[in-house]
Amino acid sequence: AQSVTQPDIHITVSEGASLELRCNYSYGATPYLFWYVQSPGQGLQLLLKYFSGDTLVQGIKGFEAEFKRSQSSFNLRKPSVHWSDAAEYFCAVVSGGGADGLTFGKGTHLIIQP
Amino acid sequence: KAGVTQTPRYLIKTRGQQVTLSCSPISGHRSVSWYQQTPGQGLQFLFEYFSETQRNKGNFPGRFSGRQFSNSRSEMNVSTLELGDSALYLCASSLGPVRTGAGTEAFFGQGTRLTVV
Repeated sequence: AQSVTQPDIHITVSEGASLELRCNYSYGATPYLFWYVQSPGQGLQLLLKYFSGDTLVQGIKGFEAEFKRSQSSFNLRKPSVHWSDAAEYFCAVVSGGGADGLTFGKGTHLIIQP
Repeated sequence: KAGVTQTPRYLIKTRGQQVTLSCSPISGHRSVSWYQQTPGQGLQFLFEYFSETQRNKGNFPGRFSGRQFSNSRSEMNVSTLELGDSALYLCASSLGPVRTGAGTEAFFGQGTRLTVV
Protein backbone atom coordinates (compact mmCIF):
# COMPACT_ATOMS: atom_id res chain seq x y z
CA ALA A 1 0.00 0.00 0.00
CA GLN A 2 1.14 3.52 -0.65
CA SER A 3 2.21 5.73 2.24
CA VAL A 4 3.41 9.28 2.82
CA THR A 5 5.80 10.44 5.51
CA GLN A 6 6.21 14.02 6.62
CA PRO A 7 9.05 13.79 9.13
CA ASP A 8 8.56 17.20 10.70
CA ILE A 9 5.47 17.66 12.85
CA HIS A 10 6.29 21.31 13.59
CA ILE A 11 8.59 23.78 11.89
CA THR A 12 9.32 27.32 13.04
CA VAL A 13 10.68 29.82 10.54
CA SER A 14 11.37 33.52 10.80
CA GLU A 15 9.40 35.78 8.50
CA GLY A 16 11.41 36.40 5.35
CA ALA A 17 13.47 33.24 5.73
CA SER A 18 13.38 30.33 3.29
CA LEU A 19 11.31 27.23 3.91
CA GLU A 20 11.55 23.58 3.01
CA LEU A 21 8.96 21.00 4.09
CA ARG A 22 9.88 17.38 3.58
CA CYS A 23 7.73 14.65 2.10
CA ASN A 24 8.66 11.06 1.33
CA TYR A 25 6.35 8.54 -0.31
CA SER A 26 6.36 4.83 -0.64
CA TYR A 27 5.07 3.49 -3.91
CA GLY A 28 6.55 1.38 -6.66
CA ALA A 29 5.51 3.27 -9.77
CA THR A 30 5.52 7.01 -10.35
CA PRO A 31 2.71 8.40 -8.24
CA TYR A 32 0.69 11.55 -8.60
CA LEU A 33 1.84 13.95 -5.88
CA PHE A 34 0.18 16.95 -4.27
CA TRP A 35 0.75 19.55 -1.61
CA TYR A 36 -2.24 21.03 0.22
CA VAL A 37 -2.45 23.76 2.85
CA GLN A 38 -5.05 24.02 5.60
CA SER A 39 -5.72 27.09 7.71
CA PRO A 40 -7.47 26.64 11.09
CA GLY A 41 -11.09 25.63 10.69
CA GLN A 42 -10.83 25.53 6.92
CA GLY A 43 -10.72 22.92 4.21
CA LEU A 44 -7.69 22.02 2.12
CA GLN A 45 -6.35 24.28 -0.60
CA LEU A 46 -4.27 22.79 -3.40
CA LEU A 47 -0.84 24.41 -3.62
CA LEU A 48 0.65 22.39 -6.45
CA LYS A 49 0.68 18.99 -8.11
CA TYR A 50 3.03 16.68 -9.98
CA PHE A 51 1.83 14.19 -12.55
CA SER A 52 4.73 13.86 -14.98
CA GLY A 53 7.30 15.85 -16.91
CA ASP A 54 9.41 18.61 -15.38
CA THR A 55 10.33 17.54 -11.88
CA LEU A 56 10.28 21.11 -10.54
CA VAL A 57 6.71 22.34 -10.30
CA GLN A 58 5.47 25.80 -9.48
CA GLY A 59 2.38 26.41 -7.43
CA ILE A 60 0.34 29.21 -5.97
CA LYS A 61 1.49 31.68 -3.32
CA GLY A 62 5.13 31.43 -4.44
CA PHE A 63 5.56 27.76 -3.53
CA GLU A 64 7.44 25.20 -5.56
CA ALA A 65 8.22 21.51 -5.13
CA GLU A 66 10.75 19.14 -6.60
CA PHE A 67 10.08 15.50 -7.38
CA LYS A 68 13.13 13.28 -6.84
CA ARG A 69 12.46 9.72 -7.89
CA SER A 70 15.77 8.40 -6.53
CA GLN A 71 14.92 9.70 -3.06
CA SER A 72 11.15 9.09 -3.26
CA SER A 73 10.72 12.67 -2.16
CA PHE A 74 8.55 15.64 -3.06
CA ASN A 75 9.75 18.51 -0.89
CA LEU A 76 7.94 21.85 -0.77
CA ARG A 77 9.95 25.07 -0.82
CA LYS A 78 9.43 28.81 -0.62
CA PRO A 79 12.25 31.34 -0.83
CA SER A 80 10.76 33.85 1.61
CA VAL A 81 7.87 33.11 3.96
CA HIS A 82 5.20 35.57 5.04
CA TRP A 83 3.27 35.55 8.30
CA SER A 84 0.18 34.50 6.34
CA ASP A 85 1.91 31.22 5.42
CA ALA A 86 1.39 29.93 8.96
CA ALA A 87 -0.83 26.87 8.53
CA GLU A 88 -0.84 23.08 8.32
CA TYR A 89 0.72 21.58 5.21
CA PHE A 90 -0.14 18.16 3.85
CA CYS A 91 1.62 16.08 1.25
CA ALA A 92 -0.57 13.57 -0.57
CA VAL A 93 -0.17 10.81 -3.10
CA VAL A 94 -2.49 8.82 -5.31
CA SER A 95 -1.50 5.80 -7.29
CA GLY A 96 -2.52 5.80 -10.91
CA GLY A 97 -5.10 3.08 -11.26
CA GLY A 98 -5.14 2.51 -7.54
CA ALA A 99 -8.18 2.19 -5.39
CA ASP A 100 -7.52 4.07 -2.20
CA GLY A 101 -8.12 7.72 -3.03
CA LEU A 102 -5.61 10.26 -1.81
CA THR A 103 -3.21 9.10 0.89
CA PHE A 104 -2.08 11.97 3.09
CA GLY A 105 0.89 12.50 5.33
CA LYS A 106 0.29 13.48 8.96
CA GLY A 107 1.00 17.11 8.14
CA THR A 108 3.57 19.72 9.14
CA HIS A 109 2.51 22.64 11.28
CA LEU A 110 4.31 25.78 10.14
CA ILE A 111 4.88 28.55 12.65
CA ILE A 112 6.16 31.94 11.50
CA GLN A 113 8.19 34.02 13.93
CA PRO A 114 8.12 37.80 13.49
CA LYS B 1 -17.18 29.59 -10.30
CA ALA B 2 -18.53 28.37 -6.98
CA GLY B 3 -16.34 26.01 -4.97
CA VAL B 4 -17.25 22.84 -3.16
CA THR B 5 -20.09 23.44 -0.72
CA GLN B 6 -20.61 21.31 2.35
CA THR B 7 -23.60 21.53 4.64
CA PRO B 8 -24.02 21.85 7.48
CA ARG B 9 -20.75 23.34 8.72
CA TYR B 10 -21.27 22.17 12.29
CA LEU B 11 -23.27 19.35 13.85
CA ILE B 12 -23.71 18.01 17.34
CA LYS B 13 -25.23 14.56 17.66
CA THR B 14 -25.78 12.07 20.44
CA ARG B 15 -24.23 8.61 20.54
CA GLY B 16 -26.43 6.09 18.72
CA GLN B 17 -28.01 8.64 16.40
CA GLN B 18 -27.41 8.82 12.70
CA VAL B 19 -26.29 11.78 10.61
CA THR B 20 -26.34 12.82 6.97
CA LEU B 21 -23.81 15.25 5.50
CA SER B 22 -24.16 16.91 2.13
CA CYS B 23 -21.66 17.96 -0.52
CA SER B 24 -22.25 19.96 -3.69
CA PRO B 25 -19.28 19.68 -6.05
CA ILE B 26 -17.90 22.29 -8.39
CA SER B 27 -20.07 22.65 -11.45
CA GLY B 28 -19.00 20.14 -14.11
CA HIS B 29 -17.19 17.88 -11.67
CA ARG B 30 -18.49 14.34 -11.62
CA SER B 31 -16.32 12.77 -8.96
CA VAL B 32 -16.84 13.28 -5.23
CA SER B 33 -14.64 11.86 -2.49
CA TRP B 34 -15.07 11.95 1.27
CA TYR B 35 -12.36 12.10 3.92
CA GLN B 36 -12.36 12.00 7.71
CA GLN B 37 -9.89 14.19 9.58
CA THR B 38 -9.09 13.60 13.25
CA PRO B 39 -6.13 14.73 15.38
CA GLY B 40 -5.09 11.14 16.02
CA GLN B 41 -5.52 9.50 12.63
CA GLY B 42 -5.09 12.50 10.35
CA LEU B 43 -6.81 12.52 6.97
CA GLN B 44 -8.31 9.21 5.95
CA PHE B 45 -10.08 8.29 2.73
CA LEU B 46 -13.70 7.18 3.19
CA PHE B 47 -15.05 6.62 -0.32
CA GLU B 48 -15.27 8.00 -3.82
CA TYR B 49 -18.23 8.33 -6.13
CA PHE B 50 -18.17 8.88 -9.87
CA SER B 51 -21.27 8.99 -12.08
CA GLU B 52 -23.46 7.86 -9.18
CA THR B 53 -21.36 4.75 -8.56
CA GLN B 54 -19.10 4.08 -5.61
CA ARG B 55 -15.68 3.50 -7.16
CA ASN B 56 -13.75 2.57 -4.07
CA LYS B 57 -13.92 2.63 -0.31
CA GLY B 58 -11.46 3.12 2.50
CA ASN B 59 -11.07 1.03 5.61
CA PHE B 60 -14.16 2.13 7.51
CA PRO B 61 -17.01 0.09 8.99
CA GLY B 62 -20.30 -0.37 7.21
CA ARG B 63 -21.87 2.32 9.41
CA PHE B 64 -20.34 4.77 6.97
CA SER B 65 -22.14 4.95 3.67
CA GLY B 66 -22.75 7.39 0.90
CA ARG B 67 -24.46 8.04 -2.35
CA GLN B 68 -24.26 10.34 -5.32
CA PHE B 69 -27.14 11.83 -7.24
CA SER B 70 -27.52 12.48 -10.96
CA ASN B 71 -26.50 16.12 -10.48
CA SER B 72 -23.24 14.87 -8.85
CA ARG B 73 -24.24 16.07 -5.40
CA SER B 74 -23.27 13.58 -2.75
CA GLU B 75 -24.36 12.66 0.73
CA MET B 76 -22.65 10.57 3.33
CA ASN B 77 -24.43 8.88 6.19
CA VAL B 78 -23.10 7.61 9.48
CA SER B 79 -25.41 5.39 11.48
CA THR B 80 -25.21 4.44 15.14
CA LEU B 81 -22.79 7.23 15.94
CA GLU B 82 -19.89 6.59 18.29
CA LEU B 83 -17.81 9.11 20.21
CA GLY B 84 -14.88 8.27 17.93
CA ASP B 85 -16.79 9.50 14.90
CA SER B 86 -16.25 13.07 16.07
CA ALA B 87 -14.19 14.58 13.29
CA LEU B 88 -13.99 17.05 10.44
CA TYR B 89 -15.52 15.45 7.37
CA LEU B 90 -14.16 16.82 4.13
CA CYS B 91 -15.61 16.46 0.69
CA ALA B 92 -13.51 16.84 -2.45
CA SER B 93 -14.64 17.16 -6.03
CA SER B 94 -12.76 16.53 -9.25
CA LEU B 95 -13.53 16.22 -12.93
CA GLY B 96 -12.94 12.51 -12.78
CA PRO B 97 -11.42 9.99 -10.39
CA VAL B 98 -8.21 11.54 -9.08
CA ARG B 99 -6.19 8.41 -9.69
CA THR B 100 -6.77 8.69 -13.44
CA GLY B 101 -4.21 11.44 -13.71
CA ALA B 102 -3.80 14.89 -15.13
CA GLY B 103 -6.66 17.32 -14.81
CA THR B 104 -8.38 15.42 -12.07
CA GLU B 105 -6.90 17.03 -8.98
CA ALA B 106 -9.23 17.25 -6.02
CA PHE B 107 -10.68 20.50 -4.67
CA PHE B 108 -11.90 20.44 -1.10
CA GLY B 109 -14.81 22.03 0.68
CA GLN B 110 -14.54 23.65 4.11
CA GLY B 111 -15.80 20.55 5.83
CA THR B 112 -18.48 19.60 8.31
CA ARG B 113 -17.40 19.51 11.94
CA LEU B 114 -19.27 16.63 13.62
CA THR B 115 -19.25 16.34 17.37
CA VAL B 116 -20.72 13.23 18.97
CA VAL B 117 -21.63 13.55 22.66
